[in-house]
Amino acid sequence: EPEVTQTPSHQVTQMGQEVILRCVPISNHLYFYWYRQILGQKVEFLVSFYNNEISEKSEIFDDQFSVERPDGSNFTLKIRSTKLEDSAMYFCASSEFPGQLLAGELFFGEGSRLTVL
Amino acid sequence: KQEVTQIPAALSVPEGENLVLNCSFTDSAIYNLQWFRQDPGKGLTSLLLIQSSQREQTSGRLNASLDKSSGRSTLYIAASQPGDSATYLCAVSSDNSGNTPLVFGKGTRLSVIA
Repeated sequence: EPEVTQTPSHQVTQMGQEVILRCVPISNHLYFYWYRQILGQKVEFLVSFYNNEISEKSEIFDDQFSVERPDGSNFTLKIRSTKLEDSAMYFCASSEFPGQLLAGELFFGEGSRLTVL
Repeated sequence: KQEVTQIPAALSVPEGENLVLNCSFTDSAIYNLQWFRQDPGKGLTSLLLIQSSQREQTSGRLNASLDKSSGRSTLYIAASQPGDSATYLCAVSSDNSGNTPLVFGKGTRLSVIA
């Protein structure tokens, strides 16, 4: 069964360092998302991406964050200068259709745990 | 702003029992509602997707219902098994944004005791 894959599964970094989290969405999906979950809290939306541009972003997704689809398969989340409060599980998701048009189901990866020291 | 609440926060039941997990949302103008399962330290596994025009969806021992007008959904698990132990998350997509990001509840942590 097709799945969303994420790397690394766990990354430990020092505050102020840049981090890139990578995702390979399901191959025929066109809509890509990043969500995060701080330990013990709700899963929160960060950003959605379609047709090589950001469709929507939350207030969490400030100038320290960026996303990119560098080739036909990868979708990355970059945090430019990590802060302690960026420690969380980051989930990538993809969908064949957007929620607004055809009520598309989202498929999530296993997550990348980021620990900022 | 859409808010999703799940009750109870935690539930412990003996194996074989039927159970119901509840989800409520404040804004009834949704496109769909999705139930997920999350094992500790793991990703989200989609269980059921109910579109706003539907009232229920079934998959195996799982049945999810949606009452959009009252802002409620339930996930019914029949004949629970220890392998069902996990956190169950409810999420809705609203209709007031271009790409309808999911808004999640905090989840119900289920323990099924053998």
